Amino acid sequence: GEDVEQSLFLSVREGDSSVINCTYTDSSSTYLYWYKQEPGAGLQLLTYIFSNMDMKQDQRLTVLLNKKDKHLSLRIADTQTGDSAIYFCAETFTGGGNKLTFGTGTQLKVEL
Amino acid sequence: AAGVIQSPRHLIKEKRETATLKCYPIPRHDTVYWYQQGPGQDPQFLISFYEKMQSDKGSIPDRFSAQQFSDYHSELNMSSLELGDSALYFCASSSTAEAFFGQGTRLTVV
Repeated sequence: GEDVEQSLFLSVREGDSSVINCTYTDSSSTYLYWYKQEPGAGLQLLTYIFSNMDMKQDQRLTVLLNKKDKHLSLRIADTQTGDSAIYFCAETFTGGGNKLTFGTGTQLKVEL
Repeated sequence: AAGVIQSPRHLIKEKRETATLKCYPIPRHDTVYWYQQGPGQDPQFLISFYEKMQSDKGSIPDRFSAQQFSDYHSELNMSSLELGDSALYFCASSSTAEAFFGQGTRLTVV
């Protein structure tokens, strides 16, 4: 999406932490999401954060939100080969209903 | 747990033909969304329905239409298909801030 940017590619070693970054422009974001998409598969909701929060942790996943800089990140601890996929950040915003605006996607490759 | 069901999973159509995609949302979800994902692209919002009424419209071509029926399933109708309509079409449903996606229908126009 033109208003939500992500780096295209990230490669990490198995067992390391992965950090996937996302920047957005809309200051009226309500919720920010992370979705995972494996090849040929649908979009799996991983986690989401309300825009007035700055951190959310869910097992191996940590979401950090810097609202001032409009920067969202997803940290995956102890990355496994099964984490290899494309990761999309997405936002909903005030006045936009609940439709999602997706980022450009980051392809995560986990190497042994 | 029940998920969003889409049919068919794959569809091949010729140019200028018509296609109908179906979506069965998660029970008790009141909102259905349709998205289009082109090759190597992020999903783009097409249209949504809240309690069977159209609630929002995105970049949906005039050749496409959609509706939600009394049993809450939704259909996306696509006419005069073009090569550029080849994409993954996702349906999602929600009742809160969380939207859950189906596995998608891969449409190939030849």
